[in-house]
Amino acid sequence: EVQLVESGGGLVQPGGSLRLSCAASGFTFSSYWMSWVRQAPGKGLEWVANIKQDGSEKYYVYSVKGRFTISRDTVKNSLYLQMNSLRVEDTAVYYCARGGDWNHYYFDYWGQGTLVTVSS
Amino acid sequence: EIVLTQSPVTLSLSPGERATLSCRASQSVSIYLAWYQQKPGQAPRLLIYDASNRATGIPARFSGSGSGTDFTLTISSLEPEDSAVYYCLQRSGTFGQGTKVEIK
Repeated sequence: EVQLVESGGGLVQPGGSLRLSCAASGFTFSSYWMSWVRQAPGKGLEWVANIKQDGSEKYYVYSVKGRFTISRDTVKNSLYLQMNSLRVEDTAVYYCARGGDWNHYYFDYWGQGTLVTVSS
Repeated sequence: EIVLTQSPVTLSLSPGERATLSCRASQSVSIYLAWYQQKPGQAPRLLIYDASNRATGIPARFSGSGSGTDFTLTISSLEPEDSAVYYCLQRSGTFGQGTKVEIK
């Protein structure tokens, strides 16, 4: 059974940093692109970042470029999102999801999400 | 950037009725469009990919159609558990704004 379990969310002040983690199991992690997708309270879905199987390609939505860094560890079967210079508008539930490349563009499995709140 | 526009914003129907949800792209996305269902407090669930392929375990009452710029998600006979927000997603990673389906 495919499982994605996020952790690391919480309350942080504007300008602060947070690192999200996603533990993957039940599939060959090294064979898939992986992505982060977020959802602000009461709003729709927004793709944030994705990363190739070997980590050699990474892409970001414009609003987080230069502030967020996606990475992965294929030994630990884990996906990460380092978030720096956080803004109030980054407040959202962050989902880890499988997929997001040109061929497998759809996200077929999602974690339960972790809430990030940016507030003073 | 390709923009996806979903309509209607809200759909209120009775159990057993047919629901038709629309997703229109600002430029052609060929067949590369997916549909998701999201219930309150839950992660989105993949329903349809490549416009018309049902994902694993999705009931046959859900079907997708379309290509190019116009796509439709149809729920042939609504069940109470179909009450949710439905999103479309295109290949470049943008989502539509969602359609809320309410069951009377």
